[in-house]
Amino acid sequence: GDSVTQMEGPVTLSEEAFLTINCTYTATGYPSLFWYVQYPGEGLQLLLKATKADDKGSNKGFEATYRKETTSFHLEKGSVQVSDSAVYFCALRGFLVDSARQLTFGSGTQLTVLP
Amino acid sequence: KAGVTQTPRYLIKTRGQQVTLSCSPISGHRSVSWYQQTPGQGLQFLFEYFSETQRNKGNFPGRFSGRQFSNSRSEMNVSTLELGDSALYLCASSLGDFATNEKLFFGSGTQLSVL
Repeated sequence: GDSVTQMEGPVTLSEEAFLTINCTYTATGYPSLFWYVQYPGEGLQLLLKATKADDKGSNKGFEATYRKETTSFHLEKGSVQVSDSAVYFCALRGFLVDSARQLTFGSGTQLTVLP
Repeated sequence: KAGVTQTPRYLIKTRGQQVTLSCSPISGHRSVSWYQQTPGQGLQFLFEYFSETQRNKGNFPGRFSGRQFSNSRSEMNVSTLELGDSALYLCASSLGDFATNEKLFFGSGTQLSVL
């Protein structure tokens, strides 16, 4: 079945540092890929998405590129802020009939940004 | 526009009891999905409903059930609660059929504790 492997956390950075959170996936065909963010006490918010190979999703300074050849969707941000502290989840929606009707999530990466 | 509303926010039950959680999707949204979030297992898909029909179900025992009403509101029920059912239960909605690449909006969840 589909699976998502995400960089283990927690990750602690200083403000204005560069962020990379690695994400690789296993899936049949051409899944859609997502990054979600969860702030304390809240549900998940969609951060960005990419639906086909070589697509780049971007939002709020975060970027991720759908790499079919390496089955990866790494999240990057050039300069993190304290307000970016949250848990980040990589997810995919599968290509096959049933797997297209659900999201498969990675384990999440806790990011803490210090002032 | 109100977001996805889940009630109650917190719930404490004892083993063997049953529980019903409620989810009101964003107005006009017709698809509702449920996910379980635990520290050990992460985010796992429970069910997905579209137009009152269950379209997909995750790998959970039959004690977990759900339904969707004609106004798109959804409930999930867990019978004979076990300690391992303690989790944050997240509901998400989308405007149309999620399988057709719709965006998913999550609620803040119901935190269930089983004692």
